[in-house]
Amino acid sequence: QITLKESGPTLVKSTQTLTLTCTFSGFSLTTSGVGVAWIRQPPGKALEWLAVIYWDDDKRYTPSLRSRLTITMDASKSQVVLTVTNVDPEDTATYSCAHTLTWGSGRLSFDSWGQGARVTVSS
Amino acid sequence: QPVLTQPPSASASPGASVTLTCTLSSGYSTYKVDWYQQRPGKGPRFVMRVGTGGIVGSKGEGIPDRFSVLASGLNRDLTIKNIEEEDEGDYHCGTDHGRDSNFVWVFGGGTKLTVL
Repeated sequence: QITLKESGPTLVKSTQTLTLTCTFSGFSLTTSGVGVAWIRQPPGKALEWLAVIYWDDDKRYTPSLRSRLTITMDASKSQVVLTVTNVDPEDTATYSCAHTLTWGSGRLSFDSWGQGARVTVSS
Repeated sequence: QPVLTQPPSASASPGASVTLTCTLSSGYSTYKVDWYQQRPGKGPRFVMRVGTGGIVGSKGEGIPDRFSVLASGLNRDLTIKNIEEEDEGDYHCGTDHGRDSNFVWVFGGGTKLTVL
């Protein structure tokens, strides 16, 4: 059974760096084809995909936030970390990590999700 | 990149059926779309992927047979039959686009399903 759990601060101040950790079980990031993604949802708004990292350390970022996001992994700890630099109140959201299901040709879905971690950015 | 449009709300009574629509923007009629269910206070859950020919692969873990999908033109619809109270929640559709550094994953605005 795949499980994922997000952890990190619940409150950060504007201009600070937000660091979130996804700790998972039931799969390994050393297995070919495996990936972990981060998705967020601001209050009352739609889901927004942020980034994905694959077993071979290949990474993809959403274009609008590319300069502020960094995704890294520690396969030995079964963890994926997302950092968001220079946060502002618009980054207030519930941040979720998800295991990816790959379909080939670079296509993917998110087949298992964590509960999400709520983050508030104060001005 | 594609834009996905969903009505903000839908409702149905227990035992009834409801169809949730997800419409791709023009020019993306061959795209596959995922559906995700998000019950109140929970993380999203993969329902299934739908292409022009219908379901792609298998349904998500624990998704009952009452859930089905249908594609027509730019629409990728999710139908829930015999609605139960546990089906209440937000339903999100989404798709991926591009490759390598141009890769993006986009979601629709979500539909809030209320079971009356």
